[in-house]
Amino acid sequence: KNEVEQSPQNLTAQEGEFITINCSYSVGISALHWLQQHPGGGIVSLFMLSSGKKKHGRLIATINIQEKHSSLHITASHPRDSAVYICAVNYGGSQGNLIFGKGTKLSVKP
Amino acid sequence: KAGVTQTPRYLIKTRGQQVTLSCSPISGHRSVSWYQQTPGQGLQFLFEYFSETQRNKGNFPGRFSGRQFSNSRSEMNVSTLELGDSALYLCASSVLRGPSEQYFGPGTRLTVT
Repeated sequence: KNEVEQSPQNLTAQEGEFITINCSYSVGISALHWLQQHPGGGIVSLFMLSSGKKKHGRLIATINIQEKHSSLHITASHPRDSAVYICAVNYGGSQGNLIFGKGTKLSVKP
Repeated sequence: KAGVTQTPRYLIKTRGQQVTLSCSPISGHRSVSWYQQTPGQGLQFLFEYFSETQRNKGNFPGRFSGRQFSNSRSEMNVSTLELGDSALYLCASSVLRGPSEQYFGPGTRLTVT
């Protein structure tokens, strides 16, 4: 059983739409990460969260520790946002390694 | 600062051979983690190194090993390659040990024939 669940698996949107990707996890964590992977493989870290909300440009990430749930929002989506978005968590203690969700493949049509 | 670099970028090997992949972290980063990405299993954790010591290991067979040098560069080795080892191998570095933002390299794409 995957300890990090993402939904949806695939998402197609029209340019300009508001997009939400969800992530849930099963046990207590020390941090949650949102990553972006473009075709070709390169992974970029978008956010690291342990509580509350963070915003960077058109991207917003929120986390609800009690509900073990996080969301990534993209406002005014653009075709260049097309990528795979991956949720990952650090579990408790000093472990730095990440446990990953399966990813959400986003395609934004012009 | 230069980003995380991985060499080689692409590699084709035959079953039974062994392979060594290299990762150079961002200058000043002392923690290096390795991950395997396959279409079926997604991203999975292999090892975490900090100050030349393996701090954590994922659920992979003993054919997968690694090490970290005093300059924080890291290598991973896979012996007796199997077809199922074909994957994108990614390393990531961070300043600190423990939960912190990770910076990923471009990956090494290994194909085993």
